[in-house]
Amino acid sequence: DQQVKQNSPSLSVQEGRISILNCDYTNSMFDYFLWYKKYPAEGPTFLISISSIKDKNEDGRFTVFLNKSAKHLSLHIVPSQPGDSAVYFCAASALGETSGSRLTFGEGTQLTVNP
Amino acid sequence: DVKVTQSSRYLVKRTGEKVFLECVQDMDHENMFWYRQDPGLGLRLIYFSYDVKMKEKGDIPEGYSVSREKKERFSLILESASTNQTSMYLCASSLLGQTYNSPLHFGNGTRLTVT
Repeated sequence: DQQVKQNSPSLSVQEGRISILNCDYTNSMFDYFLWYKKYPAEGPTFLISISSIKDKNEDGRFTVFLNKSAKHLSLHIVPSQPGDSAVYFCAASALGETSGSRLTFGEGTQLTVNP
Repeated sequence: DVKVTQSSRYLVKRTGEKVFLECVQDMDHENMFWYRQDPGLGLRLIYFSYDVKMKEKGDIPEGYSVSREKKERFSLILESASTNQTSMYLCASSLLGQTYNSPLHFGNGTRLTVT
């Protein structure tokens, strides 16, 4: 039972345009959401996160939006750069869980930014 | 910067062999984790540890065991390797605490092939 789903295995955008990566979840106990980025031959690195008490969090070119009623979050990258080409994982943590102990990850979306 | 080091980038083992995957972190983190990454399934938690000699089962512990004799080192053991354990294995560490203030730091992964 996949509690965190990223329905798009891949996404291709032009440099300078917006990239929108989507993530849906089913567990209403999730209260904290994270995005990780993974380059080939490297481990995932933390990118940005959002608490369920917020609907938006911004960090430079990266913004995460959370729609709790729809159990949906999205990562916006504006403007997209070729160096953003990577696999992006959405992850969720349930209420009261300590760090990483029960992070549930999605399947990942391969983003390709074309020059 | 946190450094999580996995001893091998690539491993090829035969069915039935006992396999040891080693992970060392240098930031005095309390928590350590083992995940496996498979196409279409994302990252799945195998085991984690929040203290020396302590361990907790993750979502897919069957066929695996772990050892944490020292705070900086967390070993994943495949007692009798099988072909369905062919995967990318990722070690991670984090500070003890809530997810929102202590994201996971990953190693670069070990690609294990069981033939």
